[in-house]
Amino acid sequence: DQQVKQNSPSLSVQEGRISILNCDYTNSMFDYFLWYKKYPAEGPTFLISISSIKDKNEDGRFTVFLNKSAKHLSLHIVPSQPGDSAVYFCAARGGADGLTFGKGTHLIIQP
Amino acid sequence: EAQVTQNPRYLITVTGKKLTVTCSQNMNHEYMSWYRQDPGLGLRQIYYSMNVEVTDKGDVPEGYKVSRKEKRNFPLILESPSPNQTSLYFCASSPNQVFLYGYTFGSGTRLTVV
Repeated sequence: DQQVKQNSPSLSVQEGRISILNCDYTNSMFDYFLWYKKYPAEGPTFLISISSIKDKNEDGRFTVFLNKSAKHLSLHIVPSQPGDSAVYFCAARGGADGLTFGKGTHLIIQP
Repeated sequence: EAQVTQNPRYLITVTGKKLTVTCSQNMNHEYMSWYRQDPGLGLRQIYYSMNVEVTDKGDVPEGYKVSRKEKRNFPLILESPSPNQTSLYFCASSPNQVFLYGYTFGSGTRLTVV
C-alpha cells in the first residue's frame, strides 16, 4: 500500500515557466515532508522540507506548499531552468524507522 | 568532504554468488539505511540501523542481510543473489532519527544479477 504517491511519472515545462510537482500521502502520522532531486548516475540530494505545522516554505526559486486537510503537498519551481531537469522525489517522516518515498516525477525543462 | 561512499558503483554477478556492497560515511551519523530504486516503484527501504549493533527491517528486506559493527560502516550482503535483486541500490545516512535535513545519499550501486 503506497503511502506517498506521486501520480505524474513525468512533467514537461518550458524554460522560464513555473513547474508544479504534486505529492499525496495517506498516513496521518506523517509530520515532516521533504523533496529530493536526483540526476542520473548520482544519489538523491535534499532540496527543501516542510513541517506539518506550516503550510508553506520558501527557498529561493523553490516553494513547498502543504495542505494537511487534503493530505497534499506541492513543489513550485519559479522560474524553471534547464538545470532543474531531474527526477524529483517526495518523502515523508512518520517515525524513527526512516523516510517513505514516492515513485518520483521526471521533470523535463524544454528550451 | 562529508560524504557517503558506496562500492562498487557497478556490479554484474551470477545467481547464487554471495556479494557485499560496502557503505561508509564520514559524518559520525547515528542512522544509516539501504534503499533500492526500481522503475515505477521509486525508492524502497531494505534495512536501517539506528546505531551500532541495532538494525531492523525496512519494507523489502527479503534476500538481504546487513550488519553495523562500527558507526561508519553499514554493508549490504546478498547471500544468494537472484535476478529479481537486479536494481539500483542507495546507502543513506542521517545524524539522527529526526531527519531534519533528510538523508545524505551515496552515489548508488547498480547491480545486475544474471
